[in-house]
Amino acid sequence: AQKVTQAQTEISVVEKEDVTLDCVYETRDTTYYLFWYKQPPSGELVFLIRRNSFDEQNEISGRYSWNFQKSTSSFNFTITASQVVDSAVYFCALSGLNDMRFGAGTRLTVKP
Amino acid sequence: DTGVSQDPRHKITKRGQNVTFRCDPISEHNRLYWYRQTLGQGPEFLTYFQNEAQLEKSRLLSDRFSAERPKGSFSTLEIQRTEQGDSAMYLCASSHPAPSYNEQFFGPGTRLTVL
Repeated sequence: AQKVTQAQTEISVVEKEDVTLDCVYETRDTTYYLFWYKQPPSGELVFLIRRNSFDEQNEISGRYSWNFQKSTSSFNFTITASQVVDSAVYFCALSGLNDMRFGAGTRLTVKP
Repeated sequence: DTGVSQDPRHKITKRGQNVTFRCDPISEHNRLYWYRQTLGQGPEFLTYFQNEAQLEKSRLLSDRFSAERPKGSFSTLEIQRTEQGDSAMYLCASSHPAPSYNEQFFGPGTRLTVL
């Protein structure tokens, strides 16, 4: 069975701090995909990144970076120099053959 | 434009009534997915279509739930004999089929309240 665990339910930081959101997954598939989505207060899920299980290169996009480590089954997400607009719920997700499993989400609050 | 649209955005119904939601995917996307999201949880996968074929439906929550995509374009999700526990946000998403497991683009959701 597939499972995604986001142990941090809520995180609160002050603007300009760096913050890391943790994601640990379980799967028996050898080929799978990992995703991060953002759900701002407006409610619509916004795609951030997709990684496949064969590509462990870390990725940086502006203030966002992702650290994929197969050895620890983790796919962590770091926001550098956080901003108030980063406040949202962030979901990690795992895609197998026929479905997508989401974690319970981490609510990030960035205070000015 | 062109994002995924869902209708209605909000639905209030009485227990026991049937409800139907509609999803219009992004036009060139032939995969369409349905999810349910309850408060404080991540989206829960229900079913998906590739064109008009429903490729996975074992995760539908009960036999009261059914989905269709008759012409491979828009889709409907029906809940029969609604129960209070069905109150949730119902999300639709669409994606390209190739390469596989492309990012899914989500609609704004339909919030269902069952009284």
